[in-house]
Amino acid sequence: DAGVIQSPRHEVTEMGQEVTLRCKPISGHNSLFWYRQTMMRGLELLIYFNNNVPIDDSGMPEDRFSAKMPNASFSTLKIQPSEPRDSAVYFCASSLFGRESNQPQHFGDGTRLSIL
Amino acid sequence: QKEVEQNSGPLSVPEGAIASLNCTYSDRGSQSFFWYRQYSGKSPELIMSIYSNGDKEDGRFTAQLNKASQYVSLLIRDSQPSDSATYLCAVTLAAGNKLTFGGGTRVLVKP
Repeated sequence: DAGVIQSPRHEVTEMGQEVTLRCKPISGHNSLFWYRQTMMRGLELLIYFNNNVPIDDSGMPEDRFSAKMPNASFSTLKIQPSEPRDSAVYFCASSLFGRESNQPQHFGDGTRLSIL
Repeated sequence: QKEVEQNSGPLSVPEGAIASLNCTYSDRGSQSFFWYRQYSGKSPELIMSIYSNGDKEDGRFTAQLNKASQYVSLLIRDSQPSDSATYLCAVTLAAGNKLTFGGGTRVLVKP
């Protein structure tokens, strides 16, 4: 079975450029999560969607960050304009959310982002 | 106080010994608990989930949950060098499916 698919795997760009990260969740999963991981701050939740609807975006650091989920099989995380402090590994994860219990989240391989 | 706390380590364990990892959480409403393993440069990988008090065993791994004391632990029996990684504890609240992660415990298994 295909897992969570993220692209690109690596991105190096200059400060001020727009960055778009992409994610395809596991088929049948109805929740999608975007995380950022750095040595200093660990793994931080940025935003998550249930059934394509954003539920909690309190972790989005500022207005330069935006996320969309136009359908059940695709999501994007955009940074515009990018800054060096945005350099991190960005993970996408998906899970099956239901009333009975919380199923575990499964992570993609991540996008390693470097802003010069 | 952090919502989910773990000792950052490193926890150094001789090969073949038992590694014991602990995690405490602050929200009494927490209902679902997970342990993830993350190798350097890789993504977190689920190794255990536990939802009710007591022990849950899966191969060499045992998760233990005590909701009254608000802690969850992970035991790794017969530790192998391939178990060297960072182990992340994650917790969800009853009302939603948002995961809160601890900072992780780095485990080093020495041959």
